[in-house]
Amino acid sequence: QVQLQESGPGLVKPSETLSLTCTVSGGSVSSSSYYWSWIRQPPGKGLEWIGYIYHSGSTNSNPSLKSRVTTSVDTSKNQFSLKLSSVTAADTAVYYCARDLLGYGSRGGNWFDPWGQGTLVTVSS
Amino acid sequence: SSELTQDPAVSVALGQTVRITCQGDSLRRYYASWYQQKPGQAPVLVIYGKNNRPSGIPDRFSGSSSGNTASLTITGAQAEDEADYYCNSRDSSGNHLDRVFGGGTKLTVL
Repeated sequence: QVQLQESGPGLVKPSETLSLTCTVSGGSVSSSSYYWSWIRQPPGKGLEWIGYIYHSGSTNSNPSLKSRVTTSVDTSKNQFSLKLSSVTAADTAVYYCARDLLGYGSRGGNWFDPWGQGTLVTVSS
Repeated sequence: SSELTQDPAVSVALGQTVRITCQGDSLRRYYASWYQQKPGQAPVLVIYGKNNRPSGIPDRFSGSSSGNTASLTITGAQAEDEADYYCNSRDSSGNHLDRVFGGGTKLTVL
């Protein structure tokens, strides 16, 4: 059974770069069947997709965050990572990593399963 | 980018049926997926594709789609179904590779 675990600092100063890593167990980030996504949830608010990375290194991110997001994958460690630059208090959130699958056929959407437990990152001086 | 719209809150009497909806242009093109989130926990996938349940999800959960609206139906709601529910789909504008979430619906079981 695939499990994901986020790790990284829980406190980041404004204007600095938030860095998180997601460690995958029970499965491989090298699989061609999956994307690997980051999702966040500000306290008391809804979910926001941040971006994904594919095992090949191909990436995509939310247009609203694109200029600040960098994602990478380390197949030797079975991990993928997120960097979000120039953070402000608005970036305070629980950050989740999740396996991201695309459906087949003309109407194939996507779904996230499983998710990591999430990690709270607070932006404050 | 596309948006997905959900009612902020819905309530249902114990044992009754409730439908939670998600509206957006991208749903004319792609199926939605649905997630249940209980307080302090990570979201859990409950419906994906046309109407598929992951292993371990009770069969009282079902999904459907019509036009620009996707629906999650809980038939015979239980107390443990009280949670926030989010829909998700691919964005049908732009490059079709972006993902988008609805704002979430808080389900109260009375």
